[in-house]
Order: sequence, then C-alpha cells, then structure tokens
Amino acid sequence: QVQLVESGGGVVQPGESLRLSCAVSGFTFSSYGMHWVRQAPGKGLEWVAFIWYNGRNEYYTDSVKGRFTVSRDKSKNTLFLQMNSLRAEDTAVYYCAKDHILTGYYGSFIDWWGQGTPVTVSS
Amino acid sequence: EIVMTQSPATLSVSPGERATLSCRASQNIGSDLAWYQQKPGQAPRLLIYDASTRATGIPARFSGSGSGTEFTLTISSLQSEDFAVYYCQQYNNWPPWTFGQGTTVEIK
Repeated sequence: QVQLVESGGGVVQPGESLRLSCAVSGFTFSSYGMHWVRQAPGKGLEWVAFIWYNGRNEYYTDSVKGRFTVSRDKSKNTLFLQMNSLRAEDTAVYYCAKDHILTGYYGSFIDWWGQGTPVTVSS
Repeated sequence: EIVMTQSPATLSVSPGERATLSCRASQNIGSDLAWYQQKPGQAPRLLIYDASTRATGIPARFSGSGSGTEFTLTISSLQSEDFAVYYCQQYNNWPPWTFGQGTTVEIK
C-alpha cells in the first residue's frame, strides 16, 4: 500500500527557514519522480516543485525559485523540501505527491498524495 | 504557462442527478489531463488521467472526455460521497504543471 507521510511543517516568521520531509513506503521510491504541491487556506492547488526519479533534475514554480530546494534520499525513502526566506504568501498545506511515470525523464500526473503538512509564515 | 480554467465555480446538484464539470486549457494539451477529487480536510485523490482513463478503484459513474483544449468530467448519478471539490490538471507542457481553480459540487 502506497503511503506518503509529510512532516516538518510549523509556524515561522518571515525570512526564516523550514525543511519538510516526506517518508514514503509501498513503492520503489528510487524509480519515480516526486512532486510538492501546496494549497493556501481556502484556495486551490498549486504545483511547487518536481524532482526526477534519480534526483538529477529539479523544477520549480517561479515564485519559489532560488528560495526552495527539493531533494531526495533513496537510502531513507524520503523526499525533502528546504524552504528558505519564507514569505507570508508561502503559507499553505504542503503535499508530497508521487508521479505516475516509472523511471521517466519527464513528469506526468500525480497518482498518490500524502496528507499534507501545514506551514504558516507570520510575524 | 498553460492556464486551466474550470467552470462552473460551484455546481448545485441533487443526489442521483448527473453532474457535468468543464475544464479548458489555454493551448492544446492533447489528452494530457487529469482530474482529482478533494474532500474537506483531505488530500486530493486521482480520479481520471489521460483525459478519460479511470484510476484504480474509481467507480464507473465517473467518466472523462475531451482532447485538445476542452475537457469534461461527468458524474452520472451523484452519491453523497461525491460532494467535493474537483480539480483538473495538465501535464502536457511543464514546468509548471498547472491546475484549474476547482469546481465545488454541492448538494442542491
């Protein structure tokens, strides 16, 4: 059974950093690309970042480029999102999500989602 | 960036009735479209991919159609558990992967 469990969310002040983790099980983590998607309070879904199955390439939405970094540790079956220079507009629930494509050098749709971890940026 | 536009924003439907949700892409995305369902306090769930293929375990009352720029999600006979927010997403031209703003299906 596929499981994705996020952690690391919390309340921080503007300009501070936070590192989110996503522990996965139930599938071969090293064979799938992974996404981070966020949802601001009362709003829709916004894609944030994607990392290839082998970790060799990453993509980001424009608003987080240079501030967020996605990475993965295949030995720990864990996905990370390092978030620096946080802003109020980064406040959201952050979802870790599995891409559908097996060992593909491209992204596709999301077939599994974690339950999300909330991040609040406020002074 | 491909913009996804969903309509209507809210759809009021009685249980047992048919619901038709629309999603439009700002440019041709072929069939690279997914639909997700999200209930309050829960993560989204994949319903449909490749515009018309039901995901594993999704009931047959959910169907998707369309290609190019116009897509439709149809729920043939609404059950109580189907009242939720539905999002479309394109995966043809990325980054970014883009979602529609969502359609809320509520009880009439």
